[in-house]
Amino acid sequence: KAGVTQTPRYLIKTRGQQVTLSCSPISGHRSVSWYQQTPGQGLQFLFEYFSETQRNKGNFPGRFSGRQFSNSRSEMNVSTLELGDSALYLCASSLVGLAGAPYNEQFFGPGTRLTVL
Amino acid sequence: AQSVSQHNHHVILSEAASLELGCNYSYGGTVNLFWYVQYPGQHLQLLLKYFSGDPLVKGIKGFEAEFIKSKFSFNLRKPSVQWSDTAEYFCAGASGGSYIPTFGRGTSLIVHP
Repeated sequence: KAGVTQTPRYLIKTRGQQVTLSCSPISGHRSVSWYQQTPGQGLQFLFEYFSETQRNKGNFPGRFSGRQFSNSRSEMNVSTLELGDSALYLCASSLVGLAGAPYNEQFFGPGTRLTVL
Repeated sequence: AQSVSQHNHHVILSEAASLELGCNYSYGGTVNLFWYVQYPGQHLQLLLKYFSGDPLVKGIKGFEAEFIKSKFSFNLRKPSVQWSDTAEYFCAGASGGSYIPTFGRGTSLIVHP
């Protein structure tokens, strides 16, 4: 089974621009979560999508948004980029996701490295 | 607020040394706890997880962790590390009421051959 894939792997943008990142989950997985990873803050949860609906959301400003398509693929968008948005953005998929018991393991993609100049 | 803290940010060991990485969580009630590893240039992957039952959890590659409820701890251990264990290790937790995982800031482990 193919793993979680993310595109692009690297991005360089300038302040004020917007960016869209893409994530394809493992086949059959319906939940996609997004995380921001930085050296100082570790991994921080952005949001989770399940069946095309945002089910959980972390404490990030509205500039960060996402969506999920009917094939479970997900996109994340960041508008009006700031220098502090430079980070590795990770996508994770799971069968059921972040609700209900038992907790389902999340499988992570390689990430998209975003650099904002 | 729920939090997960990792005591050691950087650990340097020689091969065959024993490893223990600390992790404490602040949740009350039911908790699900995890250790993830990120090898250089590779994806984050699950080492082991605790949901309930035996507090001593065994994971992949010889790692284990012990859930001590009275100490709110879930420390990761390995009796003898190898050079290939060089990686970033993340502890994560989710409370029974919310399944959104909170990650610690990570511990960078370097093992010298």
